[in-house]
Amino acid sequence: DAKTTQPNSMESNEEEPVHLPCNHSTISGTDYIHWYRQLPSQGPEYVIHGLTSNVNNRMASLAIAEDRKSSTLILHRATLRDAAVYYCILRASNFGNEKLTFGTGTRLTIIP
Amino acid sequence: DGGITQSPKYLFRKEGQNVTLSCEQNLNHDAMYWYRQDPGQGLRLIYYSQIVNDFQKGDIAEGYSVSREKKESFPLTVTSAQKNPTAFYLCASSTRVGNSPLHFGNGTRLTVT
Repeated sequence: DAKTTQPNSMESNEEEPVHLPCNHSTISGTDYIHWYRQLPSQGPEYVIHGLTSNVNNRMASLAIAEDRKSSTLILHRATLRDAAVYYCILRASNFGNEKLTFGTGTRLTIIP
Repeated sequence: DGGITQSPKYLFRKEGQNVTLSCEQNLNHDAMYWYRQDPGQGLRLIYYSQIVNDFQKGDIAEGYSVSREKKESFPLTVTSAQKNPTAFYLCASSTRVGNSPLHFGNGTRLTVT
């Protein structure tokens, strides 16, 4: 199973951009990179995903390295509601028997 | 509205009793997953199922059992063999395509005393 590694915690000031890194050096050519975030006592929610090109949506942007061995989730202007644990995972693109594992994620603290 | 429902939200049991956690989805998803989360920790995979009547062990399957008799339902039984069953349990579902997001339920918090 392809694995991801993330820093345990990060802090950012409110209203400033946040860059959350993820390393996935064993990624295969057909794996998608997904990001989720989890608020306390809730299930994780989907944030964004990508394959090769950078992606933007209303929640965040995803920057993918050219060699695809790392990616960065970008929150353009952090708010207190963005304080959460952020998980980066890999999903195979085919219909194989997919064992989806999560790491420990990055706990993001927003400083008012 | 389509979604994934876990019930109950809180569950209390005495040690030595089996308990079944419910997970239902109306998203027509083939794949379903069970995760366990301990305080301050990440998600650990217990069992997963890609199609009806088939499921595989995850990383921490010991002391747990599942069934997948219907596409919409993937119940998890925490047996008395599970040494530390108190935890937050999360169910998720998805299509079997890599560019589809996982949909999570809101979890069941199980306390065994």
